[in-house]
Amino acid sequence: AQSVAQPEDQVNVAEGNPLTVKCTYSVSGNPYLFWYVQYPNRGLQFLLKYITGDNLVKGSYGFEAEFNKSQTSFHLKKPSALVSDSALYFCAVRDHNTDKLIFGTGTRLQVFP
Amino acid sequence: GAVVSQHPSWVICKSGTSVKIECRSLDFQATTMFWYRQFPKQSLMLMATSNEGSKATYEQGVEKDKFLINHASLTLSTLTVTSAHPEDSSFYICSAGPRIHRGGELFFGEGSRLTVL
Repeated sequence: AQSVAQPEDQVNVAEGNPLTVKCTYSVSGNPYLFWYVQYPNRGLQFLLKYITGDNLVKGSYGFEAEFNKSQTSFHLKKPSALVSDSALYFCAVRDHNTDKLIFGTGTRLQVFP
Repeated sequence: GAVVSQHPSWVICKSGTSVKIECRSLDFQATTMFWYRQFPKQSLMLMATSNEGSKATYEQGVEKDKFLINHASLTLSTLTVTSAHPEDSSFYICSAGPRIHRGGELFFGEGSRLTVL
């Protein structure tokens, strides 16, 4: 079965510092991986995805993620964090058979001024 | 990106009543839509897959008679919480995408917060 794991419930980072939100995956076959962000009482916003091609994927709001097949990871990164980046981040994997999106448990990012 | 609209954003109802939540794809057709439920400070739990013109597919443990899903057109899916009780209070989110069968991303509605008194 497809699954993703987000090992950190919360990540704290100072504004201006680089940030990393971790995600590892377990899939059979080639993974379709996604990152979404959720602000309070809102739906999810798509950030970026990896389907195939370059391992480094660039997305919205300056975020990027690196697909690492050997480590089965897809960590989300940003070179310089903003206070407005504070939100809940979800990693997800697509089930090829059903098109369902399977989410991780989420990581709350807090960026301090 | 594609736009998914959800209505209402929030609803308060009395125990025992039924509540309908609509999910619309505004600029694309969606043969498949997904309904999620999110509890406070928790991840999204997939409830069911809504299929246009056919019955929805429910996840294990989700009561199909409790959560009625209708996908009557290529742009509209509805979730009806029947005989709602306080434990049904939650944040319900729908999603869809124009190219999901080819690896495209899903787009999410803004969510509907249901409070059952």
